[in-house]
Amino acid sequence: AQTVTQSQPEMSVQEAETVTLSCTYDTSENNYYLFWYKQPPSRQMILVIRQEAYKQQNATENRFSVNFQKAAKSFSLKISDSQLGDTAMYFCAFMKHGSFGNEKLTFGTGTRLTIIP
Amino acid sequence: KAGVTQTPRYLIKTRGQQVTLSCSPISGHRSVSWYQQTPGQGLQFLFEYFSETQRNKGNFPGRFSGRQFSNSRSEMNVSTLELGDSALYLCASSLVRAGYYEQYFGPGTRLTVT
Repeated sequence: AQTVTQSQPEMSVQEAETVTLSCTYDTSENNYYLFWYKQPPSRQMILVIRQEAYKQQNATENRFSVNFQKAAKSFSLKISDSQLGDTAMYFCAFMKHGSFGNEKLTFGTGTRLTIIP
Repeated sequence: KAGVTQTPRYLIKTRGQQVTLSCSPISGHRSVSWYQQTPGQGLQFLFEYFSETQRNKGNFPGRFSGRQFSNSRSEMNVSTLELGDSALYLCASSLVRAGYYEQYFGPGTRLTVT
């Protein structure tokens, strides 16, 4: 079974600064996807960024980028030029890849991020 | 393109009752998954449907069931409600292409059991 660990329950950062959220996972699989989801107070779960394990290049989406270290089983999220709208709960998630019927996400416990004006 | 929709958004039920939640996936998505979110247990996978078939099931009692219709809309049912079933229930629809996967969530249904 896969496990996802987010060791930072809460973080806060000043607006416009850069912040990095940590995530580690444990799996015996070689092919998988990793995701970061954002859940603002509205509770809508929003996909922030996705990384395929077979890709060595780190994914980026505008101000969001990841540092994917496959050997270390680490998948951190960096938010640059943080904005007030980035205030949310952030979840790291894992999904196996390749086998039929494996669309099941395993989530970490989340990091509550607060951007301070 | 419309996102994932869930109805109702809020629901209050009494212990022992049953409840049905509905989810309409993004047009063209054939896979629908359900998750339960609680402060104590976090986000837990309930089950996943594809082409009207349950392909994957989480570790929940048989009181939790679901189904998917031919138009990919899905319903989940909880019978004999318990206080511990109070949670946010999230539905997600998935797009799978060669080497590409994304799962999009709906706004959730907040269920309160009294």
